[in-house]
Amino acid sequence: GAVVSQHPSRVICKSGTSVKIECRSLDFQATTMFWYRQFPKQSLMLMATSNEGSKATYEQGVEKDKFLINHASLTLSTLTVTSAHPEDSSFYICSARGGSGGAETQYFGPGTRLLVL
Amino acid sequence: DAKTTQPTSMDCAEGRAANLPCNHSTISGNEYVYWYRQIHSQGPQYIIHGLKNNETNEMASLIITEDRKSSTLILPHATLRDTAVYYCIAHNFGNEKLTFGTGTRLTIIP
Repeated sequence: GAVVSQHPSRVICKSGTSVKIECRSLDFQATTMFWYRQFPKQSLMLMATSNEGSKATYEQGVEKDKFLINHASLTLSTLTVTSAHPEDSSFYICSARGGSGGAETQYFGPGTRLLVL
Repeated sequence: DAKTTQPTSMDCAEGRAANLPCNHSTISGNEYVYWYRQIHSQGPQYIIHGLKNNETNEMASLIITEDRKSSTLILPHATLRDTAVYYCIAHNFGNEKLTFGTGTRLTIIP
């Protein structure tokens, strides 16, 4: 199997608050998880790579203090958007590597739509 | 990962085979060809991947040319639910990251 879930599916928050998004691999263990962001009519952009038990690796231009990533177990990674601003409104998608397609195949969650007012 | 080139958009009649081309002329020997699709407002869905040989699964077939410079994803009997953006990615297993291009927007016409 290769099912990845995300929670919540959509969230609306006020500017300045923090939002946590959970990503779980439901039927396989994932040593590596990835967080992407997608703006309307654009492709997915990788934000960070998360390895279980170690610090995340962030892509250039992504603020690690603003987008906090925790990968505490082989089935759970969390992304916290701190002090959210309207420009952080986007579609956030996680993926986990592993599952039935092989250890190198990434499987994606359904995404979390964040709207910051 | 090597650069891939795909048509921006394609239409296909419902019930017909949808053939989606991808050019990856600079692909290296250790890069696999991966296909994902993204239905509107959902996360990408893994379809299939291959290295040299043609591959088939319950969703699609992947035809890779002998020189590996291009490939074709085939959806044998397209349905309206196959309308999505299809991404072709040449992925080096040594590189953890998947780089998404702009993909092909496939529209299945009733």
